[in-house]
Amino acid sequence: DVKVTQSSRYLVKRTGEKVFLECVQDMDHENMFWYRQDPGLGLRLIYFSYDVKMKEKGDIPEGYSVSREKKERFSLILESASTNQTSMYLCASIDRGSSYTFGSGTRLTVV
Amino acid sequence: DAKTTQPNSMESNEEEPVHLPCNHSTISGTDYIHWYRQLPSQGPEYVIHGLTSNVNNRMASLAIAEDRKSSTLILHRATLRDAAVYYCILISTANFNKFYFGSGTKLNVKP
Repeated sequence: DVKVTQSSRYLVKRTGEKVFLECVQDMDHENMFWYRQDPGLGLRLIYFSYDVKMKEKGDIPEGYSVSREKKERFSLILESASTNQTSMYLCASIDRGSSYTFGSGTRLTVV
Repeated sequence: DAKTTQPNSMESNEEEPVHLPCNHSTISGTDYIHWYRQLPSQGPEYVIHGLTSNVNNRMASLAIAEDRKSSTLILHRATLRDAAVYYCILISTANFNKFYFGSGTKLNVKP
């Protein structure tokens, strides 16, 4: 079974902390994505990457950055966590013509 | 992004078929119709997708209207494990990085 693995299921961080969310896929997919999911707002794209060291802003990139040093790994960084970044974060990957594969999600709480 | 419209919730009895509708009147020729489902505290999971013809797989069937402005996901025998939120989304082969992931249909399965 192909997999997208997110390093943490639950995280609690303090306001102002730097937070790293890690995502690894084993499908050799070129395209990887970070979304956040909030009640009533659906999934919103934060950043995506179509190749190593390449990144593009999604719809809500403010307060976030990303890193893709290796094809299989895509990291989301919250430079200075704030309470409005409390959310479910989902990583996904896809190759052209295929379907999206999502990770199990990381529920982040910023206190 | 082309949008889809789904009922907020539906209910089914266990072992009975379920038909989940989706309207996508602004669909374009390059849009594939994808269905995903999300179990509580999990990331979305791929169910099925199609372009013009009806599709079957081990999880479900997808019936696509002739004008492609609507589709129906069919679960042939609902089980309690099928209780989830079902999302119908359009993914373009021309721009598969962008899609609209709305609120979906929450399916409740009664024993």
